[in-house]
Amino acid sequence: GAVVSQHPSWVICKSGTSVKIECRSLDFQATTMFWYRQFPKQSLMLMATSNEGSKATYEQGVEKDKFLINHASLTLSTLTVTSAHPEDSSFYICSAGGGGAGEQYFGPGTRLTVT
Amino acid sequence: AQRVTQPEKLLSVFKGAPVELKCNYSYSGSPELFWYVQYSRQRLQLLLRHISRESIKGFTADLNKGETSFHLKKPFAQEEDSAMYYCALSNYGGATNKLIFGTGTLLAVQP
Repeated sequence: GAVVSQHPSWVICKSGTSVKIECRSLDFQATTMFWYRQFPKQSLMLMATSNEGSKATYEQGVEKDKFLINHASLTLSTLTVTSAHPEDSSFYICSAGGGGAGEQYFGPGTRLTVT
Repeated sequence: AQRVTQPEKLLSVFKGAPVELKCNYSYSGSPELFWYVQYSRQRLQLLLRHISRESIKGFTADLNKGETSFHLKKPFAQEEDSAMYYCALSNYGGATNKLIFGTGTLLAVQP
């Protein structure tokens, strides 16, 4: 089946630094990937849609310059949290579009803690 | 506006009891609806989609356009069904087919 991986699974960084999270589709090509943020015991909030070879589409209220998304190949999308602050601490999840409309394959998530 | 509502944050039932997880949606077009499940310490995964009209792990969900609902049902709950369940609506017709998630319902099946 379709597998999506994320790296790292968890990361701790200091305030003001930048952190890059990778999302890979391991056994299929994904022209579209999605980045979500999940707060404890809350739902997934879509941050942006990442399209291979083009600019990402950000949801309302998500800072483009803070959350940089790059989808340079059909199997890799990256999310860079720039100048991280403690309020950016969260669980970040990526997904890749599946074969059917609306079907997505999710990565295991990355826990980011900013100290 | 497109919206998915799951009114219950927590649903606790005993093993063997029937389960119904409620989901209502607001969508102007022809909806594509899904149930995703997240077991403890596992990734989110697709449980079922309305167009397939299938039963997965004993769960079924029927799309009721009149009531704009897509409730998830299982006649006899098992302890292994304990998980977080999310109802989702696909942005059908949109180029990206992004999903709109409800807030989720935590199902706790007691022994």
